[in-house]
Amino acid sequence: GQQVMQIPQYQHVQEGEDFTTYCNSSTTLSNIQWYKQRPGGHPVFLIQLVKSGEVKKQKRLTFQFGEAKKNSSLHITATQTTDVGTYFCAGPDETNAGKSTFGDGTTLTVKP
Amino acid sequence: DGGITQSPKYLFRKEGQNVTLSCEQNLNHDAMYWYRQDPGQGLRLIYYSQIVNDFQKGDIAEGYSVSREKKESFPLTVTSAQKNPTAFYLCASSMGRVGSPLHFGNGTRLTVT
Repeated sequence: GQQVMQIPQYQHVQEGEDFTTYCNSSTTLSNIQWYKQRPGGHPVFLIQLVKSGEVKKQKRLTFQFGEAKKNSSLHITATQTTDVGTYFCAGPDETNAGKSTFGDGTTLTVKP
Repeated sequence: DGGITQSPKYLFRKEGQNVTLSCEQNLNHDAMYWYRQDPGQGLRLIYYSQIVNDFQKGDIAEGYSVSREKKESFPLTVTSAQKNPTAFYLCASSMGRVGSPLHFGNGTRLTVT
């Protein structure tokens, strides 16, 4: 079945450093979504990428969708303590409408 | 305000008891989902429903049951057959189309001793 993998599993950075998490799918995706889960909280939808090679920005966050639509990345510039949490990517199951496969997430900790 | 409500936030049960987790949404979403999250791990799909009176097993359905009698409600029962029920349970909803974003509830943390 479809697999979505994320690396790294954990990332510890000093405040002000940059951070990147990578997401790879075993199949081509029609779109990819990113979610953020704060410690003790629930996942919150951040963004969806649809087009091959698409790049979207949200303030210090930059999201990319690969040309082959099998990988994606999230880059945070100059991390802040508010960026702490786990970032998940999710891809739709193309054979099963309404079902998504989540990566295992990258947990970011930021030292002030 | 539109959203998803899960209750209770914390739930404690003795081993061998069935327990039902509540999930209600007023977003008028067609699809609803139950995920399980274990410490430091990702989200694993238990059951999902794309329409009232219909639901499908996810990746880890054994030991769980659901019903979808109303569009707004998708309760999850953790039965005594579930070997490791202690976990964080998240309910979500979406418009149900491929790629529709998921809206999550605040979760229920279940502890079984």
